[in-house]
Amino acid sequence: SQTIHQWPATLVQPVGSPLSLECTVEGTSNPNLYWYRQAAGRGLQLLFYSVGIGQISSEVPQNLSASRPQDRQFILSSKKLLLSDSGFYLCAWGDTGKQYFGPGTRLTVT
Amino acid sequence: AQSVTQPDIHITVSEGASLELRCNYSYGATPYLFWYVQSPGQGLQLLLKYFSGDTLVQGIKGFEAEFKRSQSSFNLRKPSVHWSDAAEYFCAVGASGGFKTIFGAGTRLFVKA
Repeated sequence: SQTIHQWPATLVQPVGSPLSLECTVEGTSNPNLYWYRQAAGRGLQLLFYSVGIGQISSEVPQNLSASRPQDRQFILSSKKLLLSDSGFYLCAWGDTGKQYFGPGTRLTVT
Repeated sequence: AQSVTQPDIHITVSEGASLELRCNYSYGATPYLFWYVQSPGQGLQLLLKYFSGDTLVQGIKGFEAEFKRSQSSFNLRKPSVHWSDAAEYFCAVGASGGFKTIFGAGTRLFVKA
């Protein structure tokens, strides 16, 4: 069966520090991968999606970036975090038929 | 532009009472429609989905939703709420053959004893 992992589960980082969140999927090949952000009291905002290795589509211009170095690995990065980057980050795989979500990473920027 | 509106930020119902969560969408064609549930600090789990056919769809945990094209709505219902149903519920819309799913802002459900 398919499994999606995210780490770390929680992260507290100072403003201006770098960020790297990792997501890996098991049990499927060539998945579409997604990064969402959920801010307090708001819905899910699609940040990036990828349909293959090295193929990244950005939905919202910001100081975040994404990379897909391997088929089932999706990384969310930032060179310098902002306070507004705080939130709950969710990785998912699938398509518009159904999406499977990871457990999420709670990021607090202080 | 595609959008999903969940008019209720939060709803409180008594355990055993019926529930209806509202969802309206804006989409150029017949959409795929979804309801997801999120427990605190967790990822999202699919409750049910509508692609085509019967406009009343059954999901997990006793939930159902009805697609009404004329009203651009896809409301979620449950005849008797359990305390374990307390969570945040997201309505979502997607396109056939596409990659992106648009989520509503969510409705937080509180269940009182």
